[in-house]
Amino acid sequence: EIVLTQSPGTLSLSPGDRATLSCRASQTVTNTYLAWYQQKPGQAPRLLIYGASSRATGIPDRFSGSGSGTDFTLTISRLQPEDFAVYYCQHYGTSPPMYTFGQGAKLEIK
Amino acid sequence: EVQLVQSGAEVKKPGESLKISCKGSGFIFATYWIGWVRQMPGKGLEWMGLIYPGDSGTRYSPSFQGQVTISADKSITTAYLQWNTLKASDTAMYYCVRQNSYDHDLDYWGQGTLVTVSS
Repeated sequence: EIVLTQSPGTLSLSPGDRATLSCRASQTVTNTYLAWYQQKPGQAPRLLIYGASSRATGIPDRFSGSGSGTDFTLTISRLQPEDFAVYYCQHYGTSPPMYTFGQGAKLEIK
Repeated sequence: EVQLVQSGAEVKKPGESLKISCKGSGFIFATYWIGWVRQMPGKGLEWMGLIYPGDSGTRYSPSFQGQVTISADKSITTAYLQWNTLKASDTAMYYCVRQNSYDHDLDYWGQGTLVTVSS
């Protein structure tokens, strides 16, 4: 079973800063099946990045995803006030079909 | 517009049964895998399982196999999550999700159904 470990657990930054969130897999995973989600308080999560680096519909270009193998990164280039939230990475495994989420990373205002 | 609209919040007692629903619209419901994700209070996301409404095929997380039942009625484009015997530890927010057919990400989420189990 693949385990996803996100770091840091909490990141304190100011609007306008650059945020870098990490997701490390316990074994090599397929980029196609690596996604990132954003969850704001009291809301359902929403898809940000799929296939490790493709932005979902309507997601601003300040959000970008990168990485391969076991190490993946979500970067937010210029933080806006609405970007402070919890972020989850997620992997889909095919044999057997299985979704695994990272434990989440909180991006808070400094 | 793709939408997943879930049933309202529930308050139940331990030992009771419960079935919550998720109605899809704006897409061909029978041709997408629909799943459920649990979020316990203050915690992260846990995938529970999936159903393909076209043939009612299911996939469960080992953590939830035998604990819940996922079903669907494609004629009314609705998926369900059911418990026969609720426990206090089932208290959580439950989200239904649509699986993207190509990349298998969870591209649409319902608004969530809060289930509270308390004596």
